[in-house]
Amino acid sequence: DIQMTQSPSTLSASVGDRVTITCRASQSIDMWLAWYQQKPGKAPNLLIYRASGLQSGVPSRFSGSASVTEFTLTISSLQPDDFATYYCQQHKSYPYTFGQGTKLEIK
Amino acid sequence: QVQLVQSGTEVKKPGASVTVSCKASGYTFTAYYIHWVRQAPGQGLEWMGIINPKDGTTSYAQKFQGRVTTTRDTSTSTVYIELSSLTSEDTALYYCARSWGGSFGNPPLYWGQGTLVSVSS
Repeated sequence: DIQMTQSPSTLSASVGDRVTITCRASQSIDMWLAWYQQKPGKAPNLLIYRASGLQSGVPSRFSGSASVTEFTLTISSLQPDDFATYYCQQHKSYPYTFGQGTKLEIK
Repeated sequence: QVQLVQSGTEVKKPGASVTVSCKASGYTFTAYYIHWVRQAPGQGLEWMGIINPKDGTTSYAQKFQGRVTTTRDTSTSTVYIELSSLTSEDTALYYCARSWGGSFGNPPLYWGQGTLVSVSS
């Protein structure tokens, strides 16, 4: 199975900050990586697909990039609605493994 | 609009089996894969398996091999997951989710509301 290692586990930031979350794959997954946002009591919400594709309806302050086996989710200017938990998921080969999550907290 | 409506909360004893249903609407049922993902209380997301509703082919995470089965009923646009030999570690919220695109290699996009499965003696 492909292992996805996400960092940091917790991130404290303020409104207006630029933040970056990283996800590393244990082997090549090309660009087959998705990012999700999950709020308490809610199902995950797809933000980014295929590493850098912005899902329809997602604000443009969210962006994704890739470098070999390292992937990043960047939020350019944090808004109050962005404080949540974020997950990466590889969708290259079964099982479509998730990272362990990054909880983005208000500083 | 795309909707996935799951069955209600289940309370089971260790060793039992559980079946969760996921009824799809708002799109062509056979055109998109359905994923199953679970989340234990306070924990992260865990991908369990997938089914192609068009032909019923499935793939499962090795962790669940041998005790999970996913099926579909095209007449009712419903997908089912059955998990057997339950233990307390299977206590979780179980989600079904429809793929982003209609081919292999697409992540979940539309999610059901989740079904809580609680396993306790």
